[in-house]
Amino acid sequence: GAVVSQHPSRVICKSGTSVKIECRSLDFQATTMFWYRQFPKKSLMLMATSNEGSKATYEQGVEKDKFLINHASLTLSTLTVTSAHPEDSSFYICSAYKGGLSYNEQFFGPGTRLTVL
Amino acid sequence: QQQVKQSPQSLIVQKGGISIINCAYENTAFDYFPWYQQFPGKGPALLIAIRPDVSEKKEGRFTISFNKSAKQFSLHIMDSQPGDSATYFCAASTGNQFYFGTGTSLTVIP
Repeated sequence: GAVVSQHPSRVICKSGTSVKIECRSLDFQATTMFWYRQFPKKSLMLMATSNEGSKATYEQGVEKDKFLINHASLTLSTLTVTSAHPEDSSFYICSAYKGGLSYNEQFFGPGTRLTVL
Repeated sequence: QQQVKQSPQSLIVQKGGISIINCAYENTAFDYFPWYQQFPGKGPALLIAIRPDVSEKKEGRFTISFNKSAKQFSLHIMDSQPGDSATYFCAASTGNQFYFGTGTSLTVIP
């Protein structure tokens, strides 16, 4: 398998502040990383696809100015929630894509629980 | 439009029983069908996956059955255990485009 880490695992912040979440692929290079949001007992909602060295592709309805994504290297992508509000409270999960001739899989991080007060 | 339809939404099974979760897709371009297991507060983890050139894949107590003509695939958990209680997601993909089902919450009661 492959290991993807996320940091922090939990964050509590005040309304109006910005929060950065890091996603790292620890043992492989990922040209593509994904960011998901998950509400309690709900499915995974894809927010954006992040490709190394280029701008992220956001899903319809996701505010690109609010959820800033940077994929500066093949092992690191970051999601910054800017001017966070209580409605941004959620479970954010990243994944890293590992592709090849006989292999195409995405490996998920452990998730980050964001609580905005 | 939901690319992958998953059912049931929730499932309760007795310990030792068989858990069956079904998924259906429309896009014949999909060429990879993984299943993920997610425990509360954790990220999903790959459980088992299949490509459309085989009809069945088994890994331990977990089996994927794949019906290409019907565009359906299912996860079977044999001898279900309380530790299998989790949410299961099916997915279908082509390249780095993944589409997930809505998830099935499985509860295995002792």
